[in-house]
Amino acid sequence: NAGVTQTPKFQVLKTGQSMTLQCAQDMNHNSMYWYRQDPGMGLRLIYYSASEGTTDKGEVPNGYNVSRLNKREFSLRLESAAPSQTSVYFCASSAQGPFEQYFGPGTRLTVT
Amino acid sequence: ILNVEQSPQSLHVQEGDSTNFTCSFPSSNFYALHWYRWETAKSPEALFVMTLNGDEKKKGQISATLNTKEGYSYLYIKGSQPEDSATYLCAFENFNKFYFGSGTKLNVKP
Repeated sequence: NAGVTQTPKFQVLKTGQSMTLQCAQDMNHNSMYWYRQDPGMGLRLIYYSASEGTTDKGEVPNGYNVSRLNKREFSLRLESAAPSQTSVYFCASSAQGPFEQYFGPGTRLTVT
Repeated sequence: ILNVEQSPQSLHVQEGDSTNFTCSFPSSNFYALHWYRWETAKSPEALFVMTLNGDEKKKGQISATLNTKEGYSYLYIKGSQPEDSATYLCAFENFNKFYFGSGTKLNVKP
C-alpha cells in the first residue's frame, strides 16, 4: 500500500519549457488535490478533482492545467514554465468528506 | 479567497512545557476544520478533522478544540517532547476546497 505517490521528486526547467507532474493514489479516494508550497505562504490549492471526470480551480490556478485520468491518477501540467512557478508541489487525496487528506512526498520544481 | 490565520508564527519551548496555538477562520458557511503536523523534509500528516461546534479531539498528548461560532480552534500540546518539533497547520474546508493557514513552527529544546 503505497498511499500517494508523485513523480518526479525534483525537476529543473528553463523558462518556457513544459512538463507534467504525475500523482497516483491506491486508497480508492474520490477526491484529489494539487497544492503549491512557498516560504511563508503555507499550502495553496491549485486545482482539485472531487471525483473521476471532474476538475475545478483552486486559489492559484493560473499557468496550470490538470487531468483526472482515472480514479487513481491526477496530473498537473505546466504549459510554459515561469520562474514564479518555482515551488514545492504536493498532491493529496481524500475520501469524500469531511475526511483527512493524505499527501504525497512532494516535487521540488525550479524554473530558471 | 478565505482568510485562515495561525498564531504564533513560531514558538520555542523547553522539553516538558505545555503549549498551545490558535487557528482563526471565517465563522460563516463552516464545514470542517483540519489540523496537520508537518515535519521537516516530510509531508503533512493529519492530526484531527473537526466538524461540530464545541468539538474536542485528543491524540496522545495533543488535543484540539473548536468554536465555529466565533471562528477559532486551539491546538494544545501537553508536556512537549523534542519529537513534537514540527510545523502545525490548520485548514478550513469549504465546498471541497481547503484553505490552509501558514502554520505555527514549534521547536522543542531538550
